[in-house]
Amino acid sequence: EPEVTQTPSHQVTQMGQEVILRCVPISNHLYFYWYRQILGQKVEFLVSFYNNEISEKSEIFDDQFSVERPDGSNFTLKIRSTKLEDSAMYFCASRFFNQPQHFGDGTRLSIL
Amino acid sequence: AQSVTQPDIHITVSEGASLELRCNYSYGATPYLFWYVQSPGQGLQLLLKYFSGDTLVQGIKGFEAEFKRSQSSFNLRKPSVHWSDAAEYFCAVERQNFVFGPGTRLSVLP
Repeated sequence: EPEVTQTPSHQVTQMGQEVILRCVPISNHLYFYWYRQILGQKVEFLVSFYNNEISEKSEIFDDQFSVERPDGSNFTLKIRSTKLEDSAMYFCASRFFNQPQHFGDGTRLSIL
Repeated sequence: AQSVTQPDIHITVSEGASLELRCNYSYGATPYLFWYVQSPGQGLQLLLKYFSGDTLVQGIKGFEAEFKRSQSSFNLRKPSVHWSDAAEYFCAVERQNFVFGPGTRLSVLP
């Protein structure tokens, strides 16, 4: 069964540095998402992406965040200048029209 | 405000016992409803979903959930819990975007 894959599984970055989290959605999916889960807390919606543009974003998704689908297969989340509070598990998801979202296994981001 | 609540933060059951995890939502109309399971350090696995139709839905690993419109609930059940079911369980709803509940941690006693 096709899967959403995320790399790396764990990313350690110094505060203030830029970080790019990568996702490869399922190939025929059209809608793409990023979510965040701070340790011990619930999963929070960050952003949705369709037809090469952001369709919705939460208040968490401020100017430090950006998303891109650079080559038709990858879907990336960039955090421009990381803060300690950006430490979390980041999940990518994708779906095809009205089907449920498929989630990747997540990238654990640790900010030092 | 639109929200998803899971009243039980942590539930402990004995292996072989039955299980019910509660989920309530507050939306103007019935959203799509989901249950996900997350093992420690792992991703989110879809257990089951409700879009429309039969209000009792069957999922993987022997789980089922019942949608009750009058109670705005979508409770997850399993008749006999296995030790491998110990994990975090998230109820989620989708209208324009996905909203997860806070989760219920399930512990299973041998």
